[in-house]
Amino acid sequence: DAKTTQPPSMDCAEGRAANLPCNHSTISGNEYVYWYRQIHSQGPQYIIHGLKNNETNEMASLIITEDRKSSTLILPHATLRDTAVYYCIVYYNKFYFGSGTKLNVKP
Amino acid sequence: GAVVSQHPSRVICKSGTSVKIECRSLDFQATTMFWYRQFPKQSLMLMATSNEGSKATYEQGVEKDKFLINHASLTLSTLTVTSAHPEDSSFYICSALGTSGFRTDTQYFGPGTRLTVL
Repeated sequence: DAKTTQPPSMDCAEGRAANLPCNHSTISGNEYVYWYRQIHSQGPQYIIHGLKNNETNEMASLIITEDRKSSTLILPHATLRDTAVYYCIVYYNKFYFGSGTKLNVKP
Repeated sequence: GAVVSQHPSRVICKSGTSVKIECRSLDFQATTMFWYRQFPKQSLMLMATSNEGSKATYEQGVEKDKFLINHASLTLSTLTVTSAHPEDSSFYICSALGTSGFRTDTQYFGPGTRLTVL
């Protein structure tokens, strides 16, 4: 079963930063936090993952709280093409997808 | 890099027939692949873990005799839906665990196969 809780939907203005929260209060010490997104009728796309430290790549930044009970995915300059369902996953040998957050980027 | 393909992309079949879906890792060898199912407006549900050269491990509630998984090579896993019925209509997605040159701790997903059973 999924160990994460995310808001069902969020809106973001094009060009602004999108901050997507995720709660994973029961995460264990050796479990990673992964973020994927799924654009309609396609397979999920890997975005970023981390264990303890904040991470940044060409797509996004991942901020993990010190107690690791929550994290935030940041898309620094959202575009219309970032409209998708974003999944936060706690990885313990397998991926169990939660409900995700539908991000709507608006012009 | 780390491209996973699926074939076919969509298939329509009659009730009672069997359908085979292929999942290929195109630029890396995948010792472990996963199969998911996604119903409309729902999240992905893990069906099984497929390991090259061994039997697949199915999640609780997934009928292994109905969903046959074969992972005979390091680049190919197949899912066969046997005696398909309309309730098996769904979006089937595979993923491969990265190896050699790609993130070994990351799953790379295929584009999915839409199955419609009439």
